[in-house]
Amino acid sequence: AQSVTQPDIHITVSEGASLELRCNYSYGATPYLFWYVQSPGQGLQLLLKYFSGDTLVQGIKGFEAEFKRSQSSFNLRKPSVHWSDAAEYFCAVGANTGFQKLVFGTGTRLLVSP
Amino acid sequence: NAGVMQNPRHLVRRRGQEARLRCSPMKGHSHVYWYRQLPEEGLKFMVYLQKENIIDESGMPKERFSAEFPKEGPSILRIQQVVRGDSAAYFCASSPRGRGVTDTEAFFGQGTRLTVV
Repeated sequence: AQSVTQPDIHITVSEGASLELRCNYSYGATPYLFWYVQSPGQGLQLLLKYFSGDTLVQGIKGFEAEFKRSQSSFNLRKPSVHWSDAAEYFCAVGANTGFQKLVFGTGTRLLVSP
Repeated sequence: NAGVMQNPRHLVRRRGQEARLRCSPMKGHSHVYWYRQLPEEGLKFMVYLQKENIIDESGMPKERFSAEFPKEGPSILRIQQVVRGDSAAYFCASSPRGRGVTDTEAFFGQGTRLTVV
């Protein structure tokens, strides 16, 4: 069965510092991978997605993620964090059959310190 | 274009009562998905609906839970005779079409936090 692991429940990063959020997945076929962000009081917003091709994916708000098949990972990165990036981040895996049955990780809450 | 609207944002019910959660998809979207997030867990798929049809309800508990997406009006997730274990955040998402994730996107609402006391 598919699964997604986000090993870090909370991460605190200083404003201006770099960020990496970890995501490991287990999936029997070619995975379709997503990162979503949920700001306080908001819905989940898609940051980026990976289906095929270049393993380094660029997303919105300056985020990028790298797909590493050998490590079953899809880590999210940002070179310089802004205070407005404080939110909860969810990694998800699915198939191209549609958005039903996306499998989400438990999320990582990012705190940004001054 | 308003996003996916869910209401209420917070809902408190006593054990044994009914809970009704509403989801209005984005304009032009005819596909709706419901997910549940239990405490300390990731979002888990519950049901996928199109207008007037349930396409996939494989994630729905067998009893007490039902969902609909009528021709007019919002999608409703209904939980009868709620129990403490139903306390969770319920998220709705919508997309303009059902198959394929490579060329479209699902938009999520803010969620409804259900607390059963």
